[in-house]
Amino acid sequence: DVKVTQSSRYLVKRTGEKVFLECVQDMDHENMFWYRQDPGLGLRLIYFSYDVKMKEKGDIPEGYSVSREKKERFSLILESASTNQTSMYLCASSAIRNTEAFFGQGTRLTVV
Amino acid sequence: KNEVEQSPQNLTAQEGEFITINCSYSVGISALHWLQQHPGGGIVSLFMLSSGKKKHGRLIATINIQEKHSSLHITASHPRDSAVYICAADSNYQLIWGAGTKLIIKP
Repeated sequence: DVKVTQSSRYLVKRTGEKVFLECVQDMDHENMFWYRQDPGLGLRLIYFSYDVKMKEKGDIPEGYSVSREKKERFSLILESASTNQTSMYLCASSAIRNTEAFFGQGTRLTVV
Repeated sequence: KNEVEQSPQNLTAQEGEFITINCSYSVGISALHWLQQHPGGGIVSLFMLSSGKKKHGRLIATINIQEKHSSLHITASHPRDSAVYICAADSNYQLIWGAGTKLIIKP
């Protein structure tokens, strides 16, 4: 069974804090993704990575950065959290040239 | 206009009813995905299809490439089917997401 694990289900952070969201997959997938999900807007792609140390901006990268030092781990970083980054964050992975994605359970982040 | 549109946005039905959720897209695609998201957030893949029809238990997915339209059907619906159903179009290995359909099945 493919497993994508996100480090936290719920997080509450203060405005201005640096926030790390971690995602680990155990299927040796090349592709990893970070999405945020907001009511009425669906999933929006923040960043993705096709390989170790490689990253590409998605549709809404502003205010975020990512790190992929190892193939199995993809981290999303909020450099200075703001209230408009309160959202559900979803990590996903897929095999190379295959868009069937496997998702983590999501992290509901609240910035106060 | 969004490239992938789902309808309806919200659907409430009684247990046992036949459910249809629609997905229309305006881009060229190589495949169309249907996914399910339960309360709590986790998303699971239901179907990936590029033509015709697929069936898994009480779930059926169809796609009409010429009309750029896909449907997800649920037969003999049950309260445990209550979830958000999301379609996503695979266009050049990029997924374009629909906004989701929130389905509630009442006992």
